[in-house]
Amino acid sequence: AAGVIQSPRHLIKEKRETATLKCYPIPRHDTVYWYQQGPGQDPQFLISFYEKMQSDKGSIPDRFSAQQFSDYHSELNMSSLELGDSALYFCASSRTGGETQYFGPGTRLLVL
Amino acid sequence: AQTVTQSQPEMSVQEAETVTLSCTYDTSESDYYLFWYKQPPSRQMILVIRQEAYKQQNATENRFSVNFQKAAKSFSLKISDSQLGDAAMYFCAYRSADYGQNFVFGPGTRLSVLP
Repeated sequence: AAGVIQSPRHLIKEKRETATLKCYPIPRHDTVYWYQQGPGQDPQFLISFYEKMQSDKGSIPDRFSAQQFSDYHSELNMSSLELGDSALYFCASSRTGGETQYFGPGTRLLVL
Repeated sequence: AQTVTQSQPEMSVQEAETVTLSCTYDTSESDYYLFWYKQPPSRQMILVIRQEAYKQQNATENRFSVNFQKAAKSFSLKISDSQLGDAAMYFCAYRSADYGQNFVFGPGTRLSVLP
């Protein structure tokens, strides 16, 4: 079965640089969620989209922005990167009315 | 706001034995979903089991079962016949029944399986 695809899987950036993370949900899933998991921590919700509109917002820094496109893939844009942004970024998707979120493999971001 | 607590940062179990991981949560909602996710060293988040709050029957998935006590706001995970591959971080997660709601995760319990 098709799963959530995230790219890139690994990313190394310098402080103050910009990064773009991509997420391709499971086919026919219209809702996408972004989570950030720091070292030794549980995943923290950042933002979600339903039918290309932002549906909820969590602890996402103002330096980050995201959107969902017409093909339902989503991109998380991170600017002015800080050392503390180093984390594993998960994307998850769910279908209309579905309560279960299916997670992608994550993007490991390292900011030097 | 909802919170999820996992009071056992680390647990260990002998291979083939049974272990129970604890989870409690705080909510004022009556309708919601609860999940257990497993995160092995690869750090992939893998769904283990889910429970609908309106169902009194405890969910079961092969060797994994839950003890859902709605009044006590408790949702423990029992792993029977533990296998080496069960070693991972286990996260308990809460989700409101409202559509599109995000997960609230607990801090996790690291499970070691001893041969």
